[in-house]
Amino acid sequence: QQQVKQSPQSLIVQKGGISIINCAYENTAFDYFPWYQQFPGKGPALLIAIRPDVSEKKEGRFTISFNKSAKQFSLHIMDSQPGDSATYFCAALTYRRSGSARQLTFGSGTQLTVLP
Amino acid sequence: KAGVTQTPRYLIKTRGQQVTLSCSPISGHRSVSWYQQTPGQGLQFLFEYFSETQRNKGNFPGRFSGRQFSNSRSEMNVSTLELGDSALYLCASRDSFNSPLHFGNGTRLTVT
Repeated sequence: QQQVKQSPQSLIVQKGGISIINCAYENTAFDYFPWYQQFPGKGPALLIAIRPDVSEKKEGRFTISFNKSAKQFSLHIMDSQPGDSATYFCAALTYRRSGSARQLTFGSGTQLTVLP
Repeated sequence: KAGVTQTPRYLIKTRGQQVTLSCSPISGHRSVSWYQQTPGQGLQFLFEYFSETQRNKGNFPGRFSGRQFSNSRSEMNVSTLELGDSALYLCASRDSFNSPLHFGNGTRLTVT
């Protein structure tokens, strides 16, 4: 019920291309969906987040698409750059309930490599 | 503001020993959470403290414990270390339960 499934496990994209990472969740109580970016030797850093009352959120080259009925959300990185090479994690939590659901449940991560 | 600070960055311990990790949250943040990151299990929630009280606990054995001080700094302790405890331990803070989590760079624990 708490699981968040992420795919693909790894992704190689040419510079300038579009990177797409997908996540699916099961717990319909989730109401906050952030994406984190992690570079080697660093902790995850919040990249962009969305709530289920909107279907899309864009910040610069990063866009989250959200499909509430399918319980899926995805991260699109437009004009991918070598500096975007990192591991990306989707996550979910609920602010509406107490207990463990208020903690971030992470996907398994996607290692993105952008070739120059 | 300074970010979340974790010390030490690296630790090497022997099986059976215990270890204490430290975390200083972002100034003003009263909530501190701990996560374990391993290649096999990914990022897993350990526990969260708010105003010196443990609010939530993940599915880890009792060997993993923590505490939070009045200045919001937190420590995590692992007793009777096992090889499988080798991981990156991440601390994250937020100023309320409805705010985003901000992570530190972690403590890399190696158990030999």
